[in-house]
Amino acid sequence: KQEVTQIPAALSVPEGENLVLNCSFTDSAIYNLQWFRQDPGKGLTSLLLIQSSQREQTSGRLNASLDKSSGRSTLYIAASQPGDSATYLCAVDNAGNMLTFGGGTRLMVKP
Amino acid sequence: GAVVSQHPSWVICKSGTSVKIECRSLDFQATTMFWYRQFPKQSLMLMATSNEGSKATYEQGVEKDKFLINHASLTLSTLTVTSAHPEDSSFYICSAREPRGAKSYEQYFGPGTRLTVT
Repeated sequence: KQEVTQIPAALSVPEGENLVLNCSFTDSAIYNLQWFRQDPGKGLTSLLLIQSSQREQTSGRLNASLDKSSGRSTLYIAASQPGDSATYLCAVDNAGNMLTFGGGTRLMVKP
Repeated sequence: GAVVSQHPSWVICKSGTSVKIECRSLDFQATTMFWYRQFPKQSLMLMATSNEGSKATYEQGVEKDKFLINHASLTLSTLTVTSAHPEDSSFYICSAREPRGAKSYEQYFGPGTRLTVT
């Protein structure tokens, strides 16, 4: 059974810092991996999707990497802003069937 | 991008009543839809997988007679919480996926439905 772990569970940083959020998974036979953002009381916003054959994806200040063999992904946020404050969820898609979510990282960026 | 809607966005009901939540894919056909539940400060937990025209597949520990899922068309799946109790209060999120072979096989998520049972 796939298990997804995210570290740290919570993170508070001053504005402008570069951040790294970590995600690890136990079964490397994945179809793809997605990073989502969730604001309090809201649904999910897809940030980046990395196919199993890819090693990274970039969108603006966000960069996500995937090392399938070691079961790890990182989400890099450059020059963090208060508007980046949210919960970031990592989810692994096993063979296109279902998503397994990590516990999330709650990020607070202080002005 | 693909859009998934949910209705209602929030609902308050009395204990013992039933509540229906709708999930619609607005600009694509979804052969598969997923229902998740999220308790406060916790991550999403998959409840069931809904395939158009067939019975839903429920995850272990989810009561199929309590959480009725119907996926009667390629754009609509419904989740009915029957005889709701306060412990069913949660944030319910659906997602929809295009058929295999489609350009994008990712899941698109709805905005969620906040259910409060009093």
